[in-house]
Amino acid sequence: GAVVSQHPSWVICKSGTSVKIECRSLDFQATTMFWYRQFPKQSLMLMATSNEGSKATYEQGVEKDKFLINHASLTLSTLTVTSAHPEDSSFYICSARDPAGDTQYFGPGTRLTVL
Amino acid sequence: GEDVEQSLFLSVREGDSSVINCTYTDSSSTYLYWYKQEPGAGLQLLTYIFSNMDMKQDQRLTVLLNKKDKHLSLRIADTQTGDSAIYFCAEKGSGYALNFGKGTSLLVTP
Repeated sequence: GAVVSQHPSWVICKSGTSVKIECRSLDFQATTMFWYRQFPKQSLMLMATSNEGSKATYEQGVEKDKFLINHASLTLSTLTVTSAHPEDSSFYICSARDPAGDTQYFGPGTRLTVL
Repeated sequence: GEDVEQSLFLSVREGDSSVINCTYTDSSSTYLYWYKQEPGAGLQLLTYIFSNMDMKQDQRLTVLLNKKDKHLSLRIADTQTGDSAIYFCAEKGSGYALNFGKGTSLLVTP
């Protein structure tokens, strides 16, 4: 199946700093990518939909100024958690839609811990 | 959004069949999915079914869809210890994003 990578796989940062997470589709062009957040033993909650070349669409309750999303190319979307706080600690997972088969492929996730 | 419902936990013996159930919400969903998540890892697409199908079989996996009751199930035949993981069912929501259930933890005992 198609491969989606995320980098870094885990990150620990101090409160108040910003962290950037990259999501790449490795063997297909993804016009749409999604960012999810997963708390321990919880389901995935959609944060935002990222469309190449346009602004991201955020779900209700997700602060767009805090979670900056950039989808600058058909194979790369980035999520920047700005001024991170301990409550932002979570598992962030991206997915990329392969328009050819209308299937979503998920990245391996990024574990963020804010001290 | 509305909830996709799954039972939270299932325990089976190695070699038995596992059946994981899911109730979804959107009758207009065109695709329904099953994903597997191992500890600390991302989601692996196991299988999916198109809404005009009743059943899909892929090796040890059988998916049954009851559109009238909005009920989806995943049967794993000859369950192995390596199948222990969390299984999520998902429906395609508005746009292309997926609505996930809370996941069913499958424990396979020797």
